[in-house]
Amino acid sequence: GENVEQHPSTLSVQEGDSAVIKCTYSDSASNYFPWYKQELGKRPQLIIDIRSNVGEKKDQRIAVTLNKTAKHFSLHITETQPEDSAVYFCAASRNSGYSTLTFGKGTMLLVSP
Amino acid sequence: SQTIHQWPATLVQPVGSPLSLECTVEGTSNPNLYWYRQAAGRGLQLLFYSVGIGQISSEVPQNLSASRPQDRQFILSSKKLLLSDSGFYLCAWRDTRRATGYTFGSGTRLTVV
Repeated sequence: GENVEQHPSTLSVQEGDSAVIKCTYSDSASNYFPWYKQELGKRPQLIIDIRSNVGEKKDQRIAVTLNKTAKHFSLHITETQPEDSAVYFCAASRNSGYSTLTFGKGTMLLVSP
Repeated sequence: SQTIHQWPATLVQPVGSPLSLECTVEGTSNPNLYWYRQAAGRGLQLLFYSVGIGQISSEVPQNLSASRPQDRQFILSSKKLLLSDSGFYLCAWRDTRRATGYTFGSGTRLTVV
């Protein structure tokens, strides 16, 4: 089955800095990669996703990059703000609605004002 | 639009008592449904998933069980709770017609005392 590794487990940055979270996956058949943000005590929410036919996707201050050859993908947050503080999860699955998402263990991002 | 409802939001139960958590999805048909547990505020542990009525796959052997009596209803149960069952329980759904991210319910904070 799929295995997703996520690093770092904790990331502390100053407001305005950039933050990068990296994930690797093991199943070469995986081709859907979502990222979730979970604020304290709340549900995880999808913030951005990418499919294997795309190398990069951006949404305002958030971007995700994918390297299928190396089997890794990354989340980039620019101009971080205190409200970006949360736990971020990466995930991977095959391109089927019946396949399950495999999640990484999460990265706690702390943005200091 | 689709919505997912999960209740109760908070639950305090004594050891050895039964458990029933319910999740329903509106606005879609034949969704994939999932139960996750999150202990210590970090990783998402997949407990059960279902691709249809009466079809349950268990990921982790334990004293919990799941049932899907209707297309858009998913129930998590236990006959006798253990202290180790404490955690944040999340229901989620996914559209089987396309590989998208999960949408999570608002979660149930279970404390076993």
